[in-house]
Amino acid sequence: GAGVSQTPSNKVTEKGKYVELRCDPISGHTALYWYRQSLGQGPEFLIYFQGTGAADDSGLPNDRFFAVRPEGSVSTLKIQRTERGDSAMYLCASSLGGRAGTDTQYFGPGTRLTVL
Amino acid sequence: GDSVTQMEGPVTLSEEAFLTINCTYTATGYPSLFWYVQYPGEGLQLLLKATKADDKGSNKGFEATYRKETTSFHLEKGSVQVSDSAVYFCALPNRDDKIIFGKGTRLHILP
Repeated sequence: GAGVSQTPSNKVTEKGKYVELRCDPISGHTALYWYRQSLGQGPEFLIYFQGTGAADDSGLPNDRFFAVRPEGSVSTLKIQRTERGDSAMYLCASSLGGRAGTDTQYFGPGTRLTVL
Repeated sequence: GDSVTQMEGPVTLSEEAFLTINCTYTATGYPSLFWYVQYPGEGLQLLLKATKADDKGSNKGFEATYRKETTSFHLEKGSVQVSDSAVYFCALPNRDDKIIFGKGTRLHILP
């Protein structure tokens, strides 16, 4: 079956611009996660959705970052006024339930964001 | 807070060599422990996991044993293949139910 998909696979933008990154989770998965992975580092948690609501957004670095999941399926991560430090791989994952210890998270291939 | 420390890479081995990638953790309680793998051009995928002390997770010839005494979860494989070349991440869920990842270890297997 289809896995988690993310678009675009690569995004190059200029400092100060607005970007949107899209995640399409596995059908039926209620939990959706966004992570950011900098070069040479492991993924770092950004935000977790259970259904349509953001259950935990404590990992968002500042108010330039925002994410939505209006119908409980596709999610969009939005970054305003991009900065060079936002350059990273942005990963999305989904799982059947929201228990990280027991519900396997399935990851998409990521969107590589480069801010010039 | 909870954390994971894994050996730095890159690790370069010849095909059929024995592999160990070290991982130690600091955690409150006894969380599940994971190894994830990221093959070139693909998303992260769960390789194996162990849910309690002394459990052994295994998959695709890889094994890791949850050692409470040494707070370790080292990844091992008896005979690596070129297709095992990837980045490997040790991870655990913290008390806030978020997955904490190590920095990753890049593995190169030479034919």
